[in-house]
Amino acid sequence: NAGVTQTPKFRVLKTGQSMTLLCAQDMNHEYMYWYRQDPGMGLRLIHYSVGEGTTAKGEVPDGYNVSRLKKQNFLLGLESAAPSQTSVYFCASSYPSRGQETQYFGPGTRLLVL
Amino acid sequence: AQSVTQPDIHITVSEGASLELRCNYSYGATPYLFWYVQSPGQGLQLLLKYFSGDTLVQGIKGFEAEFKRSQSSFNLRKPSVHWSDAAEYFCAVGSGGGADGLTFGKGTHLIIQP
Repeated sequence: NAGVTQTPKFRVLKTGQSMTLLCAQDMNHEYMYWYRQDPGMGLRLIHYSVGEGTTAKGEVPDGYNVSRLKKQNFLLGLESAAPSQTSVYFCASSYPSRGQETQYFGPGTRLLVL
Repeated sequence: AQSVTQPDIHITVSEGASLELRCNYSYGATPYLFWYVQSPGQGLQLLLKYFSGDTLVQGIKGFEAEFKRSQSSFNLRKPSVHWSDAAEYFCAVGSGGGADGLTFGKGTHLIIQP
């Protein structure tokens, strides 16, 4: 079991460029999440998905789009990158068992927007 | 809206000394509480979680936490720290169903003095 994997590990973008971050999990989890981590801010939820074909906004969704075409994959897109999106992005997944939720995190993607 | 406060941004402890990291939460219903640890450049690893039952929960690596509803607290403790415990620690609260993600505190950076 690889758990939760993220691609790429590190990326540098110029302002206005677009990119897609890929998250994959092999635990057959229904729920998947994208968080961003900034110094002194902890982790903040960007978007999440409760199943294939469904997505919802989290706390800080502006400037991002997501898609969940396959159960095991959750994509995070930046259509026009801005320096404020420089951050470390974490993907997580969990199984929807009420009272038993545990989110498993990927290793993160470091994104620098110049 | 739910929120988590970790009052201490940095804590320095001597190796072998005891540790307590503070966490206070605000949540309207029964909280589901978590402590995660993040080593430098790594993802998040679950230390322990509280859903119900015994208010003192045991986790991995010798950590424990106590849920105190009257104080809205979920403090993390360890009787004797090791140099390898140096990391960032995050407290988080969830709704129990897992669908809408976790709300994280801003983290406490633990420094271990030799």
